[in-house]
Amino acid sequence: ELKVEQNPLFLSMQEGKNYTIYCNYSTTSDRLYWYRQDPGKSLESLFVLLSNGAVKQEGRLMASLDTKARLSTLHITAAVHDLSATYFCAVYSGGGADGLTFGKGTHLIIQP
Amino acid sequence: EADIYQTPRYLVIGTGKKITLECSQTMGHDKMYWYQQDPGMELHLIHYSYGVNSTEKGDLSSESTVSRIRTEHFPLTLESARPSHTSQYLCASSALVTGATLQETQYFGPGTRLLVL
Repeated sequence: ELKVEQNPLFLSMQEGKNYTIYCNYSTTSDRLYWYRQDPGKSLESLFVLLSNGAVKQEGRLMASLDTKARLSTLHITAAVHDLSATYFCAVYSGGGADGLTFGKGTHLIIQP
Repeated sequence: EADIYQTPRYLVIGTGKKITLECSQTMGHDKMYWYQQDPGMELHLIHYSYGVNSTEKGDLSSESTVSRIRTEHFPLTLESARPSHTSQYLCASSALVTGATLQETQYFGPGTRLLVL
C-alpha cells in the first residue's frame, strides 16, 4: 500500500525566509505532483515531476524529485504572505486503483 | 485553464435523504475521479472512471455510487445520507498532456461541501 508522508504538517514562517517542505513515499512511482489549496478552495496544480533528478521552478517555488530516495522537496525562497496556503504532494498510485495518493498536507502560514 | 464544474457548491440536508453531486467537464477527458476531503485533512480517492460505462472504487471505502453515461458527466449519488457523510467532495479529470515529456495532470473542480444533519 502506497503511503505518502509530508513534513512538517504545520509551518509558520516570516516573510523573506527560505524553507523546505519534504514529501516521502513508500513505493516506486513514476509521477509526483505538488498542489496548492487555499482555505475553502479547490486544488491548484503547481508541479508535475516525472523523472529522477527532475527540478521545476515557478516564481519563489522550486520542486525536485529523487526517485531513488523516494523523496520530493518543495523549496520556498524569500517567502511572501501570498504563499500562505496548504501544500499537498501526491503520488500516482498506478496498479489496481488509479488516481493519486495524497499526503496530509503542509499548512503554511507566512507572517509579515 | 481547466473547465471542470461541480454543483451544488454547498449542500445542507437531513439524514436519510438521497442526494446527487454533479460533476462535469468540457475538456473531453476520459479519466475522472471523486475524492473525499475532511477539513484540514488529505484527499482520499473514492471512485474513478476510465471512460464511458467504466466505474471503479478507489482506496477509501464509500457508500456512494457513481455513473458514467457520458464522457463529460460523472455524478456521485448517496442513496441515504448520514452525518458521517459530512465532508467535502472534489471531482477531478485528467488527460495526457504531450510536451517535452508525456505528462498527466489532474484538474480539480471547486468541490461540494456537504453537511448532513
